[in-house]
Amino acid sequence: LAKTTQPISMDSYEGQEVNITCSHNNIATNDYITWYQQFPSQGPRFIIQGYKTKVTNEVASLFIPADRKSSTLSLPRVSLSDTAVYYCLVGDQAGGGNKLTFGTGTQLKVEL
Amino acid sequence: EPEVTQTPSHQVTQMGQEVILRCVPISNHLYFYWYRQILGQKVEFLVSFYNNEISEKSEIFDDQFSVERPDGSNFTLKIRSTKLEDSAMYFCASTLKVYNTGELFFGEGSRLTVL
Repeated sequence: LAKTTQPISMDSYEGQEVNITCSHNNIATNDYITWYQQFPSQGPRFIIQGYKTKVTNEVASLFIPADRKSSTLSLPRVSLSDTAVYYCLVGDQAGGGNKLTFGTGTQLKVEL
Repeated sequence: EPEVTQTPSHQVTQMGQEVILRCVPISNHLYFYWYRQILGQKVEFLVSFYNNEISEKSEIFDDQFSVERPDGSNFTLKIRSTKLEDSAMYFCASTLKVYNTGELFFGEGSRLTVL
C-alpha cells in the first residue's frame, strides 16, 4: 500500500507560484500519481496525473523524479480561488480494485 | 461538460431510519464509487462497482450498506439503519477507465445528518 505524505498546510499570495511536494516512498511500479483539489463542501476535482518526468496541463504541472518516490505539484500564479485542499494519491491496487486512498491533503491558503 | 449528479443535496434523518442516496454517473462511464467525508476529516473510500457487482469495499462498508444500479443511469447507496456516526458528506464518483489511466469524476455530494 503506497502511503503518501504531504505538508498539512501552505500559505501563499496571489500571483506567486506554489509547489506542493508529496512523498510516496513505497510506490509500486505500475502506480500513477494523481492530484485532486477539493473546495469546502464539494467533491474532489481531478487536477493532473503522471507516471514519470514532467506533465503539464492548463492548470498545473507535475514533476516526478526518476526514482518516483516523490512528486511536486506546481501551480503557476495562484489566485484567491486556488484556496483549497490538495490531495496527492497513488493507486491502490489491493484486491485488484480501483479505490483511491486519500490522505489528509495540503490546505493551501492564498491571500492578497 | 458532463457531470456526476447526486440527490438529495442534504438529508436529515432519525437514527435507525433507512436512507437512499442517489447518483447519476456520467453516461458512458463504467466504474462507479461511493466515498464519504465526515466533517473535518479525510475522504474515505466505501465501495467500487463494476459490471453490476461490487469490485471492492472498505471495512466501513458493512452489512448496513448496499449499492445498486437499478437501471442504466442511476447508482444508489442505501444505509439500512442509520447511526449517528453515519453523518457525513457522501460522494459518488465515476470513471471510464481503471484508476491508473483515468480520472475519477466526483459529484457535489449528499450531506447526511443523522439525529
